[in-house]
Amino acid sequence: EVQLVESGGGFIQPGGSLRLSCAASGFTFSSCVMSWVRQAPGKGLEWVSGISGNGDSTYYVDSVKGRFTISRDNSKNTLYLQMNSLRVEDTAVYYCAKVAPWSGNAPGAEFDPWGLGTLVTVSS
Amino acid sequence: QLVLNQSPSASASLGASVKLTCTLTSGHSDYAIAWHQQKPEKGPRYLMKLYSDGSHNKGDGIPDRFSGSSSGAERYLTISSLQSEDEADYYCQTWGTDTYWVFGGGTKLTVL
Repeated sequence: EVQLVESGGGFIQPGGSLRLSCAASGFTFSSCVMSWVRQAPGKGLEWVSGISGNGDSTYYVDSVKGRFTISRDNSKNTLYLQMNSLRVEDTAVYYCAKVAPWSGNAPGAEFDPWGLGTLVTVSS
Repeated sequence: QLVLNQSPSASASLGASVKLTCTLTSGHSDYAIAWHQQKPEKGPRYLMKLYSDGSHNKGDGIPDRFSGSSSGAERYLTISSLQSEDEADYYCQTWGTDTYWVFGGGTKLTVL
């Protein structure tokens, strides 16, 4: 069974840093594109970042470019999101998701499955 | 720009059918999408991938009551024989070469 378990969320002041982790199991982690998606309180889903299976290619939504860094350790089957210069508007539940392959030019297709999420609260 | 539009809310009666719509922006009418369900206080769950020709691949364990169809730039999720457990938020999602991954704003489904 594929499992994704996020950790690392918490309460942090604006300008601070936090690193999220996502432990993966039940599939060949190194072969899969992975992604982070967030959901602000009462709002919809927002894609944040993605990374290729070997880590060579990374993708970011404009609002986090230069502040967040996605990475992975395939030897540990773990995905990371380093979040620096955090802002109040980064407050959200952050979900890790496995990305299905896509035969076209896009880096990946649908998100399946999803983790349970970890809450990040940025507030003074 | 690749954008997905969804109505914010929908409602239907217990046992009835409901059809949710996701509209792709102009120039992207041939894109495939995915539908996801999110119940209150839970993480999202993948329902299906839906192609422009209406063919779809459902996720593991998704009941036959859930089906997808397409017409032009519109992608539909139909839920038949509505149950109370179907009350949830439904999101469409797509992918591309410039914006990578995109979500619609979501539709909150109320089962009356």
